[in-house]
Amino acid sequence: QVQLVQSGAEVKKPGASVKVSCKASGFTLSTYYMHWVRQAPGQGLEWMGRINPGSGSANYAPKFQGSVSLTRDRSINTVYMELSRLRSDDTAMYYCARIYCSGDTCFHQFDLWGQGTLVLVSS
Amino acid sequence: DIQMTQSPSSLSASLGDRVTITCQAGQDINTYLNWYQQKPGKAPNLLIYDAYNLETGVPLRFSGSGSGTNFTFTISSLQPDDIATYFCQQYEDFPYTFGQGTMLEIK
Repeated sequence: QVQLVQSGAEVKKPGASVKVSCKASGFTLSTYYMHWVRQAPGQGLEWMGRINPGSGSANYAPKFQGSVSLTRDRSINTVYMELSRLRSDDTAMYYCARIYCSGDTCFHQFDLWGQGTLVLVSS
Repeated sequence: DIQMTQSPSSLSASLGDRVTITCQAGQDINTYLNWYQQKPGKAPNLLIYDAYNLETGVPLRFSGSGSGTNFTFTISSLQPDDIATYFCQQYEDFPYTFGQGTMLEIK
């Protein structure tokens, strides 16, 4: 079954870090770029960055440069999003999503999303 | 960042109605626009890509149009299953940005 399965909800204190995983099943990560999008409670969607699982190279939204790190473990078909120096306004649902990109052919739409991981930042 | 302005922010319509949502980009984005549907407690789901292409499996009552800075998303005949929030998203440039969403409810 083609799916993205994310790790469970997290409760963190301000200043801490959180690492969320996203495991791909039914397809090979190397033919996709993996993106992270977050959604604060009752709010819209905010793109954080993307990683090329094949090379490991990542691009980040300017807002998250320096606070977000995207990594991958190809052996277990999993990508990770680590967010450091957490603040209360980082409380949100975090989603991974894929975009097909193989060789010279890259699409530009998120055609599969993980179920989301709630990160609650509270003292 | 490219600002995406979506309107209306909420919409109440009757079953069978034609529903239209607009999305305006802060600069020319060609047809580099996608539309997503999000139901409460769920991840977004792709409906339209590249402004007007229907994703596989999506009902034909959904459609998209536009180019440049002005885009339209239409549901030709509103069904109960369409109750959701709808978002536009540009991919002309990084960072990708989304409209603020349109919450659709049944009148």
